[in-house]
Amino acid sequence: DTGVSQDPRHKITKRGQNVTFRCDPISEHNRLYWYRQTLGQGPEFLTYFQNEAQLEKSRLLSDRFSAERPKGSFSTLEIQRTEQGDSAMYLCASSPRRTKAFFGQGTRLTVV
Amino acid sequence: DQQVKQNSPSLSVQEGRISILNCDYTNSMFDYFLWYKKYPAEGPTFLISISSIKDKNEDGRFTVFLNKSAKHLSLHIVPSQPGDSAVYFCAASEDSGAGSYQLTFGKGTKLSVIP
Repeated sequence: DTGVSQDPRHKITKRGQNVTFRCDPISEHNRLYWYRQTLGQGPEFLTYFQNEAQLEKSRLLSDRFSAERPKGSFSTLEIQRTEQGDSAMYLCASSPRRTKAFFGQGTRLTVV
Repeated sequence: DQQVKQNSPSLSVQEGRISILNCDYTNSMFDYFLWYKKYPAEGPTFLISISSIKDKNEDGRFTVFLNKSAKHLSLHIVPSQPGDSAVYFCAASEDSGAGSYQLTFGKGTKLSVIP
């Protein structure tokens, strides 16, 4: 399967802990996005990479959040000092151009 | 302020009939629109898209209509099938200059197709 892969699928963590999520995009896609989805809402944009360069960040991405895409391949999203409000589905998407984005299955984070 | 609005949280349709899902937007700079389908515990799956230079795009049972003057688009599914039961998200993007063409999503409409 050559779709977008995210790991882990589920993560339960205690408040104050750090967590890291991984995304493996479709290999030929140079565009990579992170979105967050909370209950009853649509996905909300967090950040965008073109190859290894992080070109855009949402105001939702507080300084506790950091994302990387070394060598323009996989990407990681780290949340430091997690809060209960960080509980959400974190979605990664990749695309070759602007026409459509392919989403992974997401990582569901629960902060207790 | 929501820029993409799906005002119907849910819709029920009989199998074989037409499903019409509606979406309104407020940002006149949006120039590309997409519909995604989402099953529980899965990521959104792309369905169909339309550029602002068109007013209709068709792909099999799915047709998207765009009315730019009304800032309104709709997704028609004909005929509806039980497997179409899912949450449908409307999304839009613009050329903001930063190059991301990030998607702005509505809150979704849950479609239930009744056998």
